[in-house]
Amino acid sequence: SAVISQKPSRDICQRGTSLTIQCQVDSQVTMMFWYRQQPGQSLTLIATANQGSEATYESGFVIDKFPISRPNLTFSTLTVSNMSPEDSSIYLCSVGALGRADNEQFFGPGTRLTVL
Amino acid sequence: GENVEQHPSTLSVQEGDSAVIKCTYSDSASNYFPWYKQELGKGPQLIIDIRSNVGEKKDQRIAVTLNKTAKHFSLHITETQPEDSAVYFCAARRGNFNKFYFGSGTKLNVKP
Repeated sequence: SAVISQKPSRDICQRGTSLTIQCQVDSQVTMMFWYRQQPGQSLTLIATANQGSEATYESGFVIDKFPISRPNLTFSTLTVSNMSPEDSSIYLCSVGALGRADNEQFFGPGTRLTVL
Repeated sequence: GENVEQHPSTLSVQEGDSAVIKCTYSDSASNYFPWYKQELGKGPQLIIDIRSNVGEKKDQRIAVTLNKTAKHFSLHITETQPEDSAVYFCAARRGNFNKFYFGSGTKLNVKP
């Protein structure tokens, strides 16, 4: 499995500000995903980020609020823009395993965001 | 789209007993079914998965069964230990490179 790290691990932010979360993988992967997990809830896919193309956003999520970069096959960032308390969640980076067609999906440790 | 339902939402067992968590899915074209364990303060960890061409898969104390006709799959944990206490999520995916649909999660508490 891939080793995935996220920065920061947690943060407390003021409303109206933005936070950029980084995801680093120890090997090249085709597909990277960003999820949101609200307290006590399941995982909700925000967007899929493939290198060299625009991220694909799920219903209810827009690029202006959650811009994503994917500059290479081992790194991605998610920005949470103009934050409000409703954005307080765990944000998880996930990767498909090493480009295999029947790929499993592995998760990073998450970034715990609190917006005051 | 796919809809995955997971039951129960909470499960409390005595150490050494077995635990079973069940999920149903709606899309008959789904062909990959992973299970994740999420401990407090950590990201979900893949613990076992099954593909639609297999009916059962076992890895030490955990096993997963799949009934394609009934469109449900289950996680079985035998000889539970306190370290099995966590939230477990099931998921389903249709085809390769497609999105995962997650269940709502089951909080398992193993009492020593």
